[in-house]
Amino acid sequence: DTGVSQNPRHKITKRGQNVTFRCDPISEHNRLYWYRQTLGQGPEFLTYFQNEAQLEKSRLLSDRFSAERPKGSFSTLEIQRTEQGDSAMYLCASSTGTLSGNTIYFGEGSWLTVV
Amino acid sequence: GENVEQHPSTLSVQEGDSAVIKCTYSDSASNYFPWYKQELGKRPQLIIDIRSNVGEKKDQRIAVTLNKTAKHFSLHITETQPEDSAVYFCAASKDYGGSQGNLIFGKGTKLSVKP
Repeated sequence: DTGVSQNPRHKITKRGQNVTFRCDPISEHNRLYWYRQTLGQGPEFLTYFQNEAQLEKSRLLSDRFSAERPKGSFSTLEIQRTEQGDSAMYLCASSTGTLSGNTIYFGEGSWLTVV
Repeated sequence: GENVEQHPSTLSVQEGDSAVIKCTYSDSASNYFPWYKQELGKRPQLIIDIRSNVGEKKDQRIAVTLNKTAKHFSLHITETQPEDSAVYFCAASKDYGGSQGNLIFGKGTKLSVKP
């Protein structure tokens, strides 16, 4: 499967614990995005990378959230001191970012439940 | 920043009828408008997209129209089938050259096609 891959797919954690999600984008894609989606809502933009550079962060991304893409390939999203309001699906997406277009492809998402 | 409004929030049609979902956007600089279909618990999947240099695009039973002056775009599904039942999201972004191209989504339309 050459699509966007995310793991773990599901994570249940206790409030206050830290969690980390991993995303492997489509191999030739140099842009990588993180979105958050709650039930009944559209995906909300969190942050995006162009290669290893984090170029934009939404104000939704509090200081408990950190994302990295150290070698411009896979990315991690860490949430520290989780809160119940962090429960959501975290979607990773990637695109080529070329001048000819920027079609964004999503992974299957990582479901987070904070209890 | 960009704001995308989507209507209706729910839509129920009989199999074989047409379905139309409408979106408006606020940022006149937006120039890329994709539509995603999301089944329960699954990733958003791109079904069609349009860029601001065209007014209409069609792919089999699916078509999208764009009115840049009025800043609205619509998804048209003809000859609906039960497997078209899902949540549909419109989105908008500025997609040119080195721009970030992150998508701003509408809140979604839950389409139900009754056999």
